[in-house]
Amino acid sequence: GAGVSQSPSNKVTEKGKDVELRCDPISGHTALYWYRQRLGQGLEFLIYFQGNSAPDKSGLPSDRFSAERTGESVSTLTIQRTQQEDSAVYLCAILRRGGFANTGELFFGEGSRLTVL
Amino acid sequence: DAKTTQPNSMESNEEEPVHLPCNHSTISGTDYIHWYRQLPSQGPEYVIHGLTSNVNNRMASLAIAEDRKSSTLILHRATLRDAAVYYCILRDRAGANNLFFGTGTRLTVIP
Repeated sequence: GAGVSQSPSNKVTEKGKDVELRCDPISGHTALYWYRQRLGQGLEFLIYFQGNSAPDKSGLPSDRFSAERTGESVSTLTIQRTQQEDSAVYLCAILRRGGFANTGELFFGEGSRLTVL
Repeated sequence: DAKTTQPNSMESNEEEPVHLPCNHSTISGTDYIHWYRQLPSQGPEYVIHGLTSNVNNRMASLAIAEDRKSSTLILHRATLRDAAVYYCILRDRAGANNLFFGTGTRLTVIP
């Protein structure tokens, strides 16, 4: 929604496999976030990118999780050796250029639903 | 980081006003109060935000207590489309990266 496209929308994988989730935001955003939402629960912050600064990885639950962003465009979240507890919806959000960090709106994608069997 | 507390669920009749409360007793002077909502099978969407004064926009109104330790999101006439999970979050002046959404309030609108 509102300029954030995520793919795949649904992914079913077997335990132990690696998965890559993609976030394709519109140009002109200043910050990009990844969140995880388990069934029936709130959003868990995972990682945050802004400009050329080092990303804030404080929310990544383990070293199996990593994320990259190419310039100010596509970001990928990679989960290695997936576990059943990784099953969740992974949401990407952007802060548009001109939005202040403390007041600007976050625009979320519709998420990628990951199911680990 | 300052956190918020919301009721897990609320119900409202269609076309009646809804008041969704949020407690944030540890709010700092530089924290902005934001509300988002999440419709079924969608990502959250921005609703409204404020600092000290009450705010109105086309979607809702935000009433902020004088001591800023609580706030209320007001939907003036609930519609079925307003059924969603509503999140109250705080964002500080430095623009904290780790925005804590919590579990929100699930609003059910009864036709």
